[in-house]
Amino acid sequence: GESVGLHLPTLSVQEGDNSIINCAYSNSASDYFIWYKQESGKGPQFIIDIRSNMDKRQGQRVTVLLNKTVKHLSLQIAATQPGDSAVYFCAENPTQGGSEKLVFGKGTKLTVNP
Amino acid sequence: GAGVSQSPRYKVAKRGQDVALRCDPISGHVSLFWYQQALGQGPEFLTYFQNEAQLDKSGLPSDRFFAERPEGSVSTLKIQRTQQEDSAVYLCASSLAQGWSTDTQYFGPGTRLTVL
Repeated sequence: GESVGLHLPTLSVQEGDNSIINCAYSNSASDYFIWYKQESGKGPQFIIDIRSNMDKRQGQRVTVLLNKTVKHLSLQIAATQPGDSAVYFCAENPTQGGSEKLVFGKGTKLTVNP
Repeated sequence: GAGVSQSPRYKVAKRGQDVALRCDPISGHVSLFWYQQALGQGPEFLTYFQNEAQLDKSGLPSDRFFAERPEGSVSTLKIQRTQQEDSAVYLCASSLAQGWSTDTQYFGPGTRLTVL
């Protein structure tokens, strides 16, 4: 099933269910947002990104939603699989037109139960 | 194609030693980034280059940390007189940096530094 909640450190779902991972960002001027998946012992792996001129973007089994009014970002994973188990980070670029640095959130650990 | 590579993958140093961490970005990528990731935390920005120019070094925690990218390709992060609090995974990322907008950053596997 789904679970929502800002800054939720862990999320446990059943295989085949949809997952929703939430993230609050801090800077209203941020114009670029990105989700990464990180497995133990590996570097962050790009999932999907979105710019501030959009409110939704879809990829393969993943959707990112951006709500600029409340500064909220979410990642939806359809038909979650055991291979989706990992820590998921959202990140923002808070310096519009300036530095390309990313500021990362705290991460959510997703566990998919078979 | 080949992704971002980093070496060494693991480094153990005694407190006070100097270390050098290497990053090979994706071929053709203009921007290169260094991040530090403490255990159980998200990556934190250290510094980044566009070609050989270091455009932002606001995240470097002290003057013991130094990064260079002299030919606009390979980069080295050097930490002098290592301290125990420097123990972390050091991640390198690169991006194509097309035009003025932020571009997707692709990460390497990281170097795990342990300072004893």
